[in-house]
Amino acid sequence: QKEVEQNSGPLSVPEGAIASLNCTYSDRGSQSFFWYRQYSGKSPELIMSIYSNGDKEDGRFTAQLNKASQYVSLLIRDSQPSDSATYLCAVNMNNNNDMRFGAGTRLTVKP
Amino acid sequence: GAVVSQHPSWVICKSGTSVKIECRSLDFQATTMFWYRQFPKQSLMLMATSNEGSKATYEQGVEKDKFLINHASLTLSTLTVTSAHPEDSSFYICSAPRDRVRNEQFFGPGTRLTVL
Repeated sequence: QKEVEQNSGPLSVPEGAIASLNCTYSDRGSQSFFWYRQYSGKSPELIMSIYSNGDKEDGRFTAQLNKASQYVSLLIRDSQPSDSATYLCAVNMNNNNDMRFGAGTRLTVKP
Repeated sequence: GAVVSQHPSWVICKSGTSVKIECRSLDFQATTMFWYRQFPKQSLMLMATSNEGSKATYEQGVEKDKFLINHASLTLSTLTVTSAHPEDSSFYICSAPRDRVRNEQFFGPGTRLTVL
């Protein structure tokens, strides 16, 4: 089992829709969870971090964490073509800067 | 947000030469930095963890004698690709955590290496 798993996609949604990105992780003791956005040819950019169960909202982005299910998700409301990118889920194992990344989900928002 | 810089942003070199890539944390100190490699349309691959004042920790399968890492100060880590070959052509990215509590890692803009 991979440490961090994501659906590779591609995920395609129409402009204005909600995009839902999912991630599961294997280490039950993980405490820190992150979503990064990576545009083609660019390096990853941190967009959300979440540390406790529940929802965390930041603008059009909502991160959801369920530690019991070892599941973290990212919702993007009112999706825009500029949101088209690969979204990387990252989990900090053992709280010691040992960050593990999923393979990423490619999102395309169609005008 | 925190700023991590890399230099150069791109480099083209001949096979057999060595290339040095610098990674700097501009507004925070980083005792640890990470080096990743990403081939086209593939995921990030952690190569090594750079530790200030001590030896780097390499991931399995990464040759430490080929990818030399030096973390000489709290704001600078360097990766030297020695005797580069075309198969080393890739996108090299560094990252650094700003603080140990939040564990957020910030990435540099990356260095695209092309070996002819």
